[in-house]
Amino acid sequence: EDKVVQSPLSLVVHEGDTVTLNCSYEVTNFRSLLWYKQEKKAPTFLFMLTSSGIEKKSGRLSSILDKKELFSILNITATQTGDSAIYLCAVGVISNEKLVFGKGTKLTVNP
Amino acid sequence: GAVVSQHPSRVICKSGTSVKIECRSLDFQATTMFWYRQFPKQSLMLMATSNEGSKATYEQGVEKDKFLINHASLTLSTLTVTSAHPEDSSFYICSAGPGTGDYEQYFGPGTRLTVT
Repeated sequence: EDKVVQSPLSLVVHEGDTVTLNCSYEVTNFRSLLWYKQEKKAPTFLFMLTSSGIEKKSGRLSSILDKKELFSILNITATQTGDSAIYLCAVGVISNEKLVFGKGTKLTVNP
Repeated sequence: GAVVSQHPSRVICKSGTSVKIECRSLDFQATTMFWYRQFPKQSLMLMATSNEGSKATYEQGVEKDKFLINHASLTLSTLTVTSAHPEDSSFYICSAGPGTGDYEQYFGPGTRLTVT
């Protein structure tokens, strides 16, 4: 059975801290790994990763994939209160467009 | 990025009635759309895959007669919750991707359904 595990489930930090969110997966026929940010409504797309070792970066957020060890990390530097959200990791498999989601990491950034 | 809309954003209905939720891809065509359900403080649960011009594929445990899906065009899929009960109250989200081979999916803003 395809599985995506995120850790930690919950994290509380202070503004300015750097955080690393983890996502490990066990799927057959891996296609891609995606990170989403969910605040009060539906998730918004952050990154899609398909190749190992290539960092994707957007402002203070960055992510990298390790297809040998089957995990990805999402880094957020100089966190702000607006980064408070649930971060979801999802894996897509070859042959269909379905995504398998992890349970998410709830990040709280305190002022 | 690609834009997906949902309507309505919030609906309250009485037990026993049916509710239709629309999902539209605004700037791309989507042969496949996905319907998810999310309970409070939980991750997204895939309910079904909506295929344009053919029957939807339901995940195990999801009642196809209760959650009717129609994907009549390349930009519109609808989910109808039939004979709604309070336990159907949830946040329903659709997603779609341009299907260009990279399998990015974009989510609609979601519909909060409350059944009284």
